[in-house]
This record gives sequence, C-alpha cells and structure tokens, in this order.
Amino acid sequence: TQLLEQSPQFLSIQEGENLTVYCNSSSVFSSLQWYRQEPGEGPVLLVTVVTGGEVKKLKRLTFQFGDARKVSSLHITAAQPGDTGLYLCAGLSGTYKYIFGTGTRLKVLA
Amino acid sequence: EAGVTQSPTHLIKTRGQQVTLRCSPISGHTSVYWYQQALGLGLQFLLWYDEGEERNRGNFPPRFSGRQFPNYSSELNVNALELEDSALYLCASSLAVGLVYEQYFGPGTRLTVT
Repeated sequence: TQLLEQSPQFLSIQEGENLTVYCNSSSVFSSLQWYRQEPGEGPVLLVTVVTGGEVKKLKRLTFQFGDARKVSSLHITAAQPGDTGLYLCAGLSGTYKYIFGTGTRLKVLA
Repeated sequence: EAGVTQSPTHLIKTRGQQVTLRCSPISGHTSVYWYQQALGLGLQFLLWYDEGEERNRGNFPPRFSGRQFPNYSSELNVNALELEDSALYLCASSLAVGLVYEQYFGPGTRLTVT
C-alpha cells in the first residue's frame, strides 16, 4: 500500500518566518501535487511536479520533487497570515488512484 | 470558466437512510473523483469515473456507489447510512495532460448522520 507521510503535522509560526513542509513516500509516484485547503472548502491545487529533481516556484512558494520521485517539499518564504491552511500532497499511483498525504496544518500569526 | 459544483452544500440524515450527492465537473473534463474527508482525517479516495465507466474504487463497502452520466456529471449514493459516514464529501474533476491528471475540487457536501 502506497502511503504519503507529511511532516510536520502542525506548524504555528510568526508572520515573516520561513518554513518547509515535507511529503515522503516509500514508493515512486508518477506525479505529485500540492494543495491548500481552508476549513469547510475543497482543496485548491497549487502545483504539479512530474520530473525527478524538478523545482517550481509560485511567488513565495517553492516546490521540489526528489530525484527518485519519492520525496517532495514545499518551502514558504516570509509567511503571511493568508498562507494559513491545511497543506496536502497527493501522489498519482500506478493504478491511477490519487493517494493523499496526512496533511500539515499551518497557522501564521500576525 | 465555472469550477466544479456540488449539491447540496449541507445535509442531515438519520442512521439507515439513503443519500445522493451530486457533482458537475469543469466543462471539458471527463473524469470525476469522489473523496471522503472525515473530521480530523485526510482525504480518502472513494471512486473514480471516466467516460461514464467506474475506473477505480477505494476501500469502502458496497453501500457506497455512484455513476457518471453522459454529460460527465456524477452522483454518489450512500445506502444504510452509519454515524461514521458523517464527513465532507468532495468531488474533483480532471483532464489528462500527458501523463498528468490535475484534479480540481468542488466545495464539498457536508453530510451529518444522526
């Protein structure tokens, strides 16, 4: 069974700080996506990474996909209160089933 | 462009009842996925429909079923409701871009079973 473990589970930081969230698997995924979800709403797609070693930037967010396509990270620079939410990674398995990570709940304090 | 829509937004049912949830995908998307997100838990994959066919199913009992219509909209049916079925039910649609299927989620249906 493919699993995606995210760390940390919870993170509370001050506005302006930097942070990194990790998404780890023992299996290879053909692609991996990051989402942000706010309470009572559906997840919103942030980025898709496909190639091992790929790095994508979205304003203050930097996403990396490990060379072996088993690990991914999300780095936020100068966090803002608007970044608060549940961050989820999701990998596409070989059976075309999306496996979602356990989630990282981020709170950015003003 | 309209996003994924779901109805109803909220629903309260009692144990043993049946419920039908609805989802309309983004125009042009042929795949629809259903997920269950119980409070404090992650997203659990329920069903995947593509071109009207069930392509994959998660580890849920047969009382969870669904279908996809010719216009690609979808229904999720849950029979014999149990208290632990209380959750946010999310629908997502996707379009294959090469080997990548990017999912776009609707706002969800909050189901409460009493």
